[in-house]
Amino acid sequence: DVKVTQSSRYLVKRTGEKVFLECVQDMDHENMFWYRQDPGLGLRLIYFSYDVKMKEKGDIPEGYSVSREKKERFSLILESASTNQTSMYLCASSWTSGRSGQYFGPGTRLTVT
Amino acid sequence: AQTVTQSQPEMSVQEAETVTLSCTYDTSENNYYLFWYKQPPSRQMILVIRQEAYKQQNATENRFSVNFQKAAKSFSLKISDSQLGDTAMYFCAFTVWGGADGLTFGKGTHLIIQP
Repeated sequence: DVKVTQSSRYLVKRTGEKVFLECVQDMDHENMFWYRQDPGLGLRLIYFSYDVKMKEKGDIPEGYSVSREKKERFSLILESASTNQTSMYLCASSWTSGRSGQYFGPGTRLTVT
Repeated sequence: AQTVTQSQPEMSVQEAETVTLSCTYDTSENNYYLFWYKQPPSRQMILVIRQEAYKQQNATENRFSVNFQKAAKSFSLKISDSQLGDTAMYFCAFTVWGGADGLTFGKGTHLIIQP
């Protein structure tokens, strides 16, 4: 089975802190994604990557950056956390074609105080 | 840009009943994939069923089936013989062929199965 893991289930950070969210997949997927999920808004794409060291902006990239140094690992970085970044963050991965869908991690609930 | 609309924020049915969740989408693409995802209260997103736009036959996975109407841009999910474990948020999602652009999600339908 495909496994996507995220470094933390729950995280509490202070405003202005630099935050790293880590995601690892074990299926040699080319594509990796970061979404945030908010009540009433569904899931929104922050960034994605289709290859090592490649990244593309999604629908809401402002305030975030990403890093993909290895194929299996995709990191989301909040350079200076703000309270409006309090959310559930979901990582996903897929093969190149996307036809099999994306496989999601368990999510990280981030609270910024 | 693609959009996905789920018009039912919440639905509630009795156990063993059949329920249909609706989804419409808008795209100018001809080759794409559609998915239904389930997110139980534990929050792990699980793929329920998928449909390739070039296939006319509706996908089926055990108690889950879809009604895919390409011309109408409609993609509904039918759950037969509903079970308590089906209680979850259900998201309809779309991606263009190639898949590298990420999924576009609807806002979800909260399905509650009553005992």
